[in-house]
Amino acid sequence: ETGVTQTPRHLVMGMTNKKSLKCEQHLGHNAMYWYKQSAKKPLELMFVYNFKEQTENNSVPSRFSPECPNSSHLFLHLHTLQPEDSALYLCASSQVGGGTIQYFGAGTRLSVL
Amino acid sequence: DAKTTQPPSMDCAEGRAANLPCNHSTISGNEYVYWYRQIHSQGPQYIIHGLKNNETNEMASLIITEDRKSSTLILPHATLRDTAVYYCIVRVANTGTASKLTFGTGTRLQVTL
Repeated sequence: ETGVTQTPRHLVMGMTNKKSLKCEQHLGHNAMYWYKQSAKKPLELMFVYNFKEQTENNSVPSRFSPECPNSSHLFLHLHTLQPEDSALYLCASSQVGGGTIQYFGAGTRLSVL
Repeated sequence: DAKTTQPPSMDCAEGRAANLPCNHSTISGNEYVYWYRQIHSQGPQYIIHGLKNNETNEMASLIITEDRKSSTLILPHATLRDTAVYYCIVRVANTGTASKLTFGTGTRLQVTL
């Protein structure tokens, strides 16, 4: 148990569906991150939030829409995804000043049909 | 951030020490060496970090060469549960903002009976 909880753990969706991934951290951190890990590829940073403000968007397509309503919660809204978006989506959190020690959730395994 | 080079894979017998090398010949004076690991289909887990002195915690030891151009992560008594991909990351610490971690391909450690 890392203190970072992601739901759902598995998700299958069609290309026309809209779904959301949820991340919650119970560590009192103030920075949150979304990463994507495709099969046999390194983790790729998608978004970074500092105190609820988005500070990094790593050229992510607009079909991925993040939301950070407070420092403890992070969402990734998905719509009109493509099969190549199938991947493990990981959420992490950290203290702003200690951002190099990040705590990761177990991830959501997404399959787009 | 300085680039790191790690062997793609290593094997280790259970109960023996696992020594995982990392080369970071372009490391700057203010960059730390961080180690994470990722057990199959889970989120990465922070292990240890250091600047120039050797470090030890309950999980592992980190040995950094005097010139800081390479380091070794040591798992003193590897178990089957240590089978994972190990990532060496070089990064400035405590930047005052949320930090993005750049994960490479890491070393896949297989612990065998």
